[in-house]
Amino acid sequence: ILNVEQSPQSLHVQEGDSTNFTCSFPSSNFYALHWYRWETAKSPEALFVMTLNGDEKKKGRISATLNTKEGYSYLYIKGSQPEDSATYLCAFGGGYQKVTFGTGTKLQVIP
Amino acid sequence: GAVVSQHPSWVICKSGTSVKIECRSLDFQATTMFWYRQFPKQSLMLMATSNEGSKATYEQGVEKDKFLINHASLTLSTLTVTSAHPEDSSFYICSARDSRDRVYSNQPQHFGDGTRLSIL
Repeated sequence: ILNVEQSPQSLHVQEGDSTNFTCSFPSSNFYALHWYRWETAKSPEALFVMTLNGDEKKKGRISATLNTKEGYSYLYIKGSQPEDSATYLCAFGGGYQKVTFGTGTKLQVIP
Repeated sequence: GAVVSQHPSWVICKSGTSVKIECRSLDFQATTMFWYRQFPKQSLMLMATSNEGSKATYEQGVEKDKFLINHASLTLSTLTVTSAHPEDSSFYICSARDSRDRVYSNQPQHFGDGTRLSIL
């Protein structure tokens, strides 16, 4: 069983603050790392697919970096807004590999 | 685009009942769909991979006779929890991979909204 860990489990930030959280995964046999955003009562929405060491992806105020050699990815949110409140999931694998999900980081942005 | 509809959203039923959950890809075809289960404060755990026109591939520890999967068309997979008991109460969610994605593609999966199953 692959170990994909996310930290912190949850956090509360004030509106306007920037924040970041971590996804740790095995550094061997890397294929892809996915980030999803999962709002309550909705389906997980794909944010990024990252495949190359050193990858940096950006979507509006959200960005992500990837270090496959040390086995971690960071997700950053700049100037958090209440609508950013959600659980952020990372998933390791894809293609011919089974996808293993982390437990998620639950973000609450306080207005 | 890439919408997956999962139905029902909530099910509450008596012990011993069989429950069917549907997963439909609305605007794309899905040769492969996935069924996950999530217990509180745990990650999504893959139960099985559903392949159109063939038998599902179950993960270790998942009972095939308990969790029946049927993927009879390119847009529909069903999961039937047979003779459900309280320990089967959980959150079940499906995802689908667009058939146009190459077999070894790293494209993300498209998820349904999930089904909350409560067995009394």
